[in-house]
Order: sequence, then structure tokens, then C-alpha cells
Amino acid sequence: DTAVSQTPKYLVTQMGNDKSIKCEQNLGHDTMYWYKQDSKKFLKIMFSYNNKELIINETVPNRFSPKSPDKAHLNLHINSLELGDSAVYFCASSQAPNMNTEAFFGQGTRLTVV
Amino acid sequence: GQQVMQIPQYQHVQEGEDFTTYCNSSTTLSNIQWYKQRPGGHPVFLIQLVKSGEVKKQKRLTFQFGEAKKNSSLHITATQTTDVGTYFCAGPYNTNAGKSTFGDGTTLTVKP
Repeated sequence: DTAVSQTPKYLVTQMGNDKSIKCEQNLGHDTMYWYKQDSKKFLKIMFSYNNKELIINETVPNRFSPKSPDKAHLNLHINSLELGDSAVYFCASSQAPNMNTEAFFGQGTRLTVV
Repeated sequence: GQQVMQIPQYQHVQEGEDFTTYCNSSTTLSNIQWYKQRPGGHPVFLIQLVKSGEVKKQKRLTFQFGEAKKNSSLHITATQTTDVGTYFCAGPYNTNAGKSTFGDGTTLTVKP
């Protein structure tokens, strides 16, 4: 029973397309995150929701829009995809906000924009 | 900007040698966490340190939190090939400064 699951695992798409990545956690956590990991393995926080409220919104292009329909789900929609968006996107969850407690990560979505 | 700085970025060791990665913060941290990411995998939580000067051990791994709560280290004794991966430290998100949480990571390779 996967704690944090995200789909799809791989996503290959053309420039200009719009795509979504979905994430679900069954841990009962209040906080969820989206991270971007580039080719150098740097992990950069993008967004975080706590109880469906956006609490972290790092400087990312507004082509990226998170949506949290409920505490257990956090989706990421990306409009007008660009080559530079290619990366691995990780969803994570934790009991307390702002990375103050252990975070559980999903398996990642490898996005390739061609 | 980065809240926590981590060095080295890469470390290559012979199996059996020791390994250490260091994290430094410009601000006092309420806690620090360590994660391990295997090649092709996702970050997995290892430990959280909260107290000043805290030292915790997990088998061959020793984690330390500095007295000023601004630095931390992870030391692996007698590395094994199963230790390969990228080790990250992570501090709490600084809402005032808008700074990210994870260090840049140290990628460890172990030669058998």
C-alpha cells in the first residue's frame, strides 16, 4: 500500500502542450508538497499546501498551477510546456507544514519535453 | 537563495573507507533532517535532529547537529556498495526569507 503515489511515472510530451501530474497520499497528513529535481539532482521546492490552503509558493512560472481538491490530493498542472521544464517532479507529504517533520516522497514523475 | 549549503557535491570512496557530508546554514535551524536518494529512486527520510549538540547513530551512520544549530554532518563508517546514492540535508522552510529547504546533496559512489 503506497503511502504517496503519483502518476504518471513517465511523461514525454511536446513543447507547448499542457499536462497534469496527480498525487495522492494515504497517510492522513495535512501538508503536501511539489518538488522539482533537475539534472544536477538539486531538489527545489515549488509549492506546498496545508489543509488545502497554499502556504508555500516559490518563484515558479505561472504556467505551473497546483490544485488541492482535498487534504489527500495535490495535483500539478503545467501549461505551455517548455524544454526547460524537463525534470523529475516529486510529490511529498508531511504531518506538519514547512518541512518541520519527516516528509514522505512519491516515486517521482520524469517529465521530458521534446 | 539557499538556506542550507552542503559539501562536498561528490565523493568517491573505496569500499571500507569512511565518508562524511556537511551542511551549514546561515541561520539557526529549529531542526535538520537527512534523506537518502538511491540512483533512480526518491528521497527517503533517514533522521531528524532537534537538540543542540545532538548525536544520533543508525548502525554505521552517525548524525550530528552543531551546538549553535547551524551545522550538521552525516558520517558513514566503513562504506559499503549499498551506501551509494545522494544524501541530502533539509532544514525547515523559512517563510520570512522564502528560502528552499534542501541542501544541494552529496552524491556518494563506492568502488568495490
